[in-house]
Amino acid sequence: DGGITQSPKYLFRKEGQNVTLSCEQNLNHDAMYWYRQDPGQGLRLIYYSQIVNDFQKGDIAEGYSVSREKKESFPLTVTSAQKNPTAFYLCASSKGDLTGELFFGEGSRLTVL
Amino acid sequence: AQSVTQPDIHITVSEGASLELRCNYSYGATPYLFWYVQSPGQGLQLLLKYFSGDTLVQGIKGFEAEFKRSQSSFNLRKPSVHWSDAAEYFCAVGDDRGSTLGRLYFGRGTQLTVWP
Repeated sequence: DGGITQSPKYLFRKEGQNVTLSCEQNLNHDAMYWYRQDPGQGLRLIYYSQIVNDFQKGDIAEGYSVSREKKESFPLTVTSAQKNPTAFYLCASSKGDLTGELFFGEGSRLTVL
Repeated sequence: AQSVTQPDIHITVSEGASLELRCNYSYGATPYLFWYVQSPGQGLQLLLKYFSGDTLVQGIKGFEAEFKRSQSSFNLRKPSVHWSDAAEYFCAVGDDRGSTLGRLYFGRGTQLTVWP
C-alpha cells in the first residue's frame, strides 16, 4: 500500500540534544511538508520541499533543519536551538500541483525531558 | 495572505443529532478548500475537497460541505452524528501562487465531542 511512514512514533530526548524524525513516502509525490501541532494551535508549517535538493522555510523554521536528497525522504532535525520542541510532528506529501491536497503520516510525538 | 478561521473551538452534540462545523477563509481568488479529520494521536485524513463546480460537495463518512463565495465560507455538515465521529476537524485553504504552490493553510481546528 502507498503511504507515508513516520518514525519513531514516540521519542524522548534530553535538553541540548538534537533529534531527527524520519519521513518516507512511496506515493511518488514531488512535494513534502513538515508541520508542528500543539493543542489549540492547529498545524503550523515548519519546512516544505517541492523538489529534490530544494526546500523552503515555513512559518516556524527556527531551530529546525531538513534535507531532501531523495524524492522519497524528507527527514526533520529538531536542534538544541529549538526552545520548545515538545510537540506532535506531522509529515505530509502532495503531488505539488495547484490543488494542494495533502496526504499525512501518522505523526511523531517528541517529548523533551 | 490566505487565512482560515474556525470560530468554534469545541462543539458537543448528541449521537443522532445534526452537525455543522463552521469555516471562513480569506483568499482573493477561487479557493481550493479542504476538510480534514484527526483522531487522537493520528495523522489527518481527508474528508472532502472543493476545487470548482458544484458548490455542494460530498465526502467520506456521510459528510458534506457547501462552498458559499458570498460568505467566504465552507461549512461542514452531517445529518446524523455517530459516536465514532468524535475527533478534531480542520478546515484548510490552498495556495496557488507560484512560489508556494500547493501549500495549505489550516484553521486551528474544532474538537467534536459526541454524547451517547
